[in-house]
Amino acid sequence: ETVMTQSPTSMSTSIGERVTLNCKASQSVGINVDWYQQTPGQSPKLLIYGASNRHTGVPDRFTGSGFGRDFTLTISNMEAEDLAVYYCLQYGSIPYTFGAGTKLELK
Amino acid sequence: QVNLLQSGAALVKPGASVKLSCKASGYTFTDYYIHWVKQSHGKSLEWIGYINPNSGYTNYNEKFKSKATLTVDKSTNTAYMELSRLTSEDSATYYCTRFSYGGFPYWGQGVMVTVSS
Repeated sequence: ETVMTQSPTSMSTSIGERVTLNCKASQSVGINVDWYQQTPGQSPKLLIYGASNRHTGVPDRFTGSGFGRDFTLTISNMEAEDLAVYYCLQYGSIPYTFGAGTKLELK
Repeated sequence: QVNLLQSGAALVKPGASVKLSCKASGYTFTDYYIHWVKQSHGKSLEWIGYINPNSGYTNYNEKFKSKATLTVDKSTNTAYMELSRLTSEDSATYYCTRFSYGGFPYWGQGVMVTVSS
């Protein structure tokens, strides 16, 4: 099974800040990585698919990058509505696996 | 628009089974695989498996092979997941979700399963 290791586990941020979240796969998954955002009581919301493709309607302050084992989600200009838990998912091999998540909090 | 409507919360006794439903609308049901995901309280997400609604073909995470059974009813555009021999470890929120072009853009609202005597 491909283990997805996210870092940091949590991050204190400020509005307007640039935020970088990381996800490392235990083996190469090509570009088969998504990023999801989840707020309390809600279903996960797709932000980025195929490592770098922004899903329809996702603000352009969200950018995904990476290939192989190392992936990054960048929020260029943090907004209050971005406070959430972010998960990476690999679908390059069965079983699909999620990272443990990164929780963004306000400083 | 695409919608996945899941059945309501369930309270079940240890050792029992529960069958969760996921009714799809707004698209051709047989065109897209339905996946199921588990989220224990306050924890991350676990992929359970998927079903091809057209053929009924399934693919499971090894961890859930003896726990979950995925089926569909094409006449009602509904996917089902039956969880058997329930224990406290199965208490969680379960989501159905539809895979599209490399991601899961559509999710059900989730159903909370509580296993308690």
